[in-house]
Order: sequence, then structure tokens, then C-alpha cells
Amino acid sequence: DAKTTQPTSMDCAEGRAANLPCNHSTISGNEYVYWYRQIHSQGPQYIIHGLKNNETNEMASLIITEDRKSSTLILPHATLRDTAVYYCIVRVENSGYALNFGKGTSLLVTP
Amino acid sequence: DTEVTQTPKHLVMGMTNKKSLKCEQHMGHRAMYWYKQKAKKPPELMFVYSYEKLSINESVPSRFSPECPNSSLLNLHLHALQPEDSALYLCASSQPLAGLLQGEQYFGPGTRLTVT
Repeated sequence: DAKTTQPTSMDCAEGRAANLPCNHSTISGNEYVYWYRQIHSQGPQYIIHGLKNNETNEMASLIITEDRKSSTLILPHATLRDTAVYYCIVRVENSGYALNFGKGTSLLVTP
Repeated sequence: DTEVTQTPKHLVMGMTNKKSLKCEQHMGHRAMYWYKQKAKKPPELMFVYSYEKLSINESVPSRFSPECPNSSLLNLHLHALQPEDSALYLCASSQPLAGLLQGEQYFGPGTRLTVT
């Protein structure tokens, strides 16, 4: 699986959009971008994933650049409950491999 | 029901004890996982079961022994652990397609294990 690079930490004001970047410059054509988050003392939670098109669900939007070398997870209206570590994972879909979590970005949403 | 449950929530055990962690899901998922997470580190994969058969063992010491008695249950048997094995143990499940593992996994809340 391709390696990802994320900022160690970010801050965001409550009610504003949180934009979390991820660099995956060595991504292969059949690898998907997955995002998970882990709120303190809880298990990780799946957020969203995509291959090349932008994706949106009830939690977030995923914007993938045309060359697929980077992506951004957008939380449109961050709340205090969105404070968590966000993991960007690149993975071949339906493969023989499980998730390989990197270091993630610690997002702090402030009042 | 999109929940993965784990028991106990907390466990303190001595190095000579034998204990078990339990995980249960009723989503019909046929792949189940054990992860270990040390403080301020990302989760690390330990074991994967696919269709009740062990498919991945990430070189985990034999003092950790997984068991999948049926498609809904996953156990992790612990024996002769060391203090450095203290960690959060996470269970997850997913639905394999054609026997392969999907990336959308559902995690339980974890068991916080302390070895004294």
C-alpha cells in the first residue's frame, strides 16, 4: 500500500470548515483513499473513501486531485465532537490486506 | 445493527494470569480483526479471520491466541503477558467480497488492558 503524509496537528474554530490534507504521491491506479477518525478512548470510525471522483456523505466530503497524488477531507461545519485523530489510508480495495494506519492528524476544534 | 461490542472494557491482569477478550458483531460480516494500540500510536494489526479461518497473523507472540468460534464471535486468549503488552485492544469487522477484505471496517470501543 502507498505511504501517506499528513500534518501532525491542526486547529479549527467551531462552525468553520475543517480541511485536512493528505499527500499520497506514490499512489497506484487501483488504490483507494480512505479516511478514518478516532475520538479519544474510542475505536476508529470509518468516514469516507474514494478512488478518483470527489465523494460526499453525511459526515464529510473527500476531494481528490486530478493526478491523485493528494486529497483533502472536508468537515463542512466542525463541532467540538469532531476533535479527533484523523487517519488517511491508501489501500487496494478488496485486497488481501487490512488497514495500515499512519500517524494521522490530530484535529482540535475550539469554541 | 452496526455495532461491534467488546468485553470487558477494562482488564487488569498479572503476568501469570490467563484471561480472554471477547468481541461480537451481528452485521453478518465474515471478516474480523484484532488490533493493538499503544498510547499515542496508531492501531497495529495483529490478526485477521476471514470466514472463521485465520488468514493473517502479523508475527504476534504466542502468548496471544486468537479464536473465532463462529461468524459473530472473536476471542483473544491471553497468557503469560508482559507489562509492555499493556495497550488498547481493538476488534473490527468487515464484509469480504470474493474472500478479499474491504477497507470499510467497523471497530468496537476496545478493551483497555493493563498487565502488572
